[in-house]
Amino acid sequence: DVKVTQSSRYLVKRTGEKVFLECVQDMDHENMFWYRQDPGLGLRLIYFSYDVKMKEKGDIPEGYSVSREKKERFSLILESASTNQTSMYLCASSPSGGETQYFGPGTRLLVL
Amino acid sequence: QKEVEQDPGPLSVPEGAIVSLNCTYSNSAFQYFMWYRQYSRKGPELLMYTYSSGNKEDGRFTAQVDKSSKYISLFIRDSQPSDSATYLCAMSATGRRALTFGSGTRLQVQP
Repeated sequence: DVKVTQSSRYLVKRTGEKVFLECVQDMDHENMFWYRQDPGLGLRLIYFSYDVKMKEKGDIPEGYSVSREKKERFSLILESASTNQTSMYLCASSPSGGETQYFGPGTRLLVL
Repeated sequence: QKEVEQDPGPLSVPEGAIVSLNCTYSNSAFQYFMWYRQYSRKGPELLMYTYSSGNKEDGRFTAQVDKSSKYISLFIRDSQPSDSATYLCAMSATGRRALTFGSGTRLQVQP
């Protein structure tokens, strides 16, 4: 079974803090994704990566950056957290040429 | 207008009912269609995957795609309380790595 893990289930941070969310997948997938999920808005793509050190912006990249130094690990960075970044963050992975994505359990982030 | 539209619900049905969940979309390039199930405070899990038009059945679940109408459906037969979750449709076009999701329909199956 594909396993995608996220470093934290719940996080509470203060406005202005730098926040790191980490995601690890164990299926040697080329593609990895970061989404945020908000009520009524569904899942919105922040960034994705199709190879080590490669990244592409999604629909809502503002205020976020990403890092992929190893194939199995994809990090989402909030350089200076703001209250409007309070959300559920979901990581996903998929194989090259594969359309289906496999999700981690999510990190619920609260920015005070 | 969103590329993918999905009624948010909630949809409440009695145990044993047949459930119909639907999405409409506007992008004719979409070829791959998925349904994900998401329990409260958990990540989405893949339920069904269909390529192009047609039907696909897996146990109590049937996925239908009508590309001419840009309409996809998920049917759940003999619904159970354990089916209570949010159901997300998702789709993508050939060569496009990212998925476009509907906003999800919350389903409640009453015992």
